[in-house]
Amino acid sequence: GDSVTQTEGLVTLTKGLPVMLNCTYQTTYSPFLFWYVQHLNEAPKLLLKSSTDNKRTEHQGFYATLHKSSSSFHLQKSSVQLSDSALYFCALSHNTNTGKLTFGDGTVLTVKP
Amino acid sequence: DPKIIQKPKYLVAVTGSEKILICEQYLGHNAMYWYRQSAKKPLEFMFSYSYQKLMDNQTASSRFQPQSSKKNHLDLQITALKPDDSATYFCASSPPWGGSAEQFFGPGTRLTVL
Repeated sequence: GDSVTQTEGLVTLTKGLPVMLNCTYQTTYSPFLFWYVQHLNEAPKLLLKSSTDNKRTEHQGFYATLHKSSSSFHLQKSSVQLSDSALYFCALSHNTNTGKLTFGDGTVLTVKP
Repeated sequence: DPKIIQKPKYLVAVTGSEKILICEQYLGHNAMYWYRQSAKKPLEFMFSYSYQKLMDNQTASSRFQPQSSKKNHLDLQITALKPDDSATYFCASSPPWGGSAEQFFGPGTRLTVL
């Protein structure tokens, strides 16, 4: 079955530093990859999505590139802000399924002043 | 105005009881979903519906029963509640059917089973 792996459970950074949150996936189908962000006591919201190999997608200063050769979709930002502190989920879907999103375990990003 | 309404926001139940979690979406979407978030499994898919028809069920237990009385409603009935059912339950919806569709999540219902 499908699976998503996020290797970091917790990332703590100082404001202004770059960040990369890792995401790798496994599926036998053509994938759609998503990053969702969940702030404390809020619902998850879509941050980025992609299904195009080797094309960078950006939103709100975050960016990610889907690499099908390595089954990866890492999330990056060049300069984190205090407001970026949240739980980040990588998720996987594909057109042959029934709308199901398979989520990774999530990475808690904490940005300190 | 909230586009996806979930009621109640918080719910406390006793073991063995039955509860219904309400979800209504006003985004005009045709697909709706339920997810569960707990300390053990951060975000776990439960059900998907399209045009009020069940498309996928990934719950192992028949104690969880979705109910769709209207196109924009997808309630979740949980019977014989157990402490392990304690979690936040998120309803979600999406516009077109398909793997690329962005899913919009409601605010969640936090269920505690004592």
